[in-house]
Amino acid sequence: GQQLNQSPQSMFIQEGEDVSMNCTSSSIFNTWLWYKQDPGEGPVLLIALYKAGELTSNGRLTAQFGITRKDSFLNISASIPSDVGIYFCAGQPYYGGATNKLIFGTGTLLAVQP
Amino acid sequence: NAGVTQTPKFQVLKTGQSMTLQCAQDMNHEYMSWYRQDPGMGLRLIHYSVGAGITDQGEVPNGYNVSRSTTEDFPLRLLSAAPSQTSVYFCASSYTGTGGSSPLHFGNGTRLTVT
Repeated sequence: GQQLNQSPQSMFIQEGEDVSMNCTSSSIFNTWLWYKQDPGEGPVLLIALYKAGELTSNGRLTAQFGITRKDSFLNISASIPSDVGIYFCAGQPYYGGATNKLIFGTGTLLAVQP
Repeated sequence: NAGVTQTPKFQVLKTGQSMTLQCAQDMNHEYMSWYRQDPGMGLRLIHYSVGAGITDQGEVPNGYNVSRSTTEDFPLRLLSAAPSQTSVYFCASSYTGTGGSSPLHFGNGTRLTVT
């Protein structure tokens, strides 16, 4: 099946630092999404990207859809303790048409030291 | 506003037992799906449905059955549980599919242990 390579696997940072994580694939994706999962809960959508080159912000979060359509990154600026959680990238693969399969990356665990 | 409701929250099964994980949504979403989450592997799609009466396989469908008799419900059945099915299971739904304009809403998960 398709794979999304997400890195880093984990990050341990100080409050106030900026964070960057990325996701890459060997194949093309139509849509890139970034989710955050808090302990004991399901993932919640943070940012959705619809076309190559798109750069979108949501508060302190910024994400970009790579020009090649095979990668995406998420930046968090001035991290705070409530940013702690697992961040997942997800993509809708391109199979020559619309699909209804969303493939998830392996996740980045973020820990923020106050 | 319940959203996506999964039951039970926790379950322990013995190898070979069967059970059904329940998922219900009250948002009139056409698309529903089941994922399993394992350490280091992210979320993997098991089965999905684009509407009542229509289901299809995801990445890891073996050992699981689904049906979609109503828009609201999408149960996941394990006919003969195996230890490899120990995982956290998430149900998710959206209006029309997995595109970003119709984001997936997730339930809070069912933690299943098979001994």
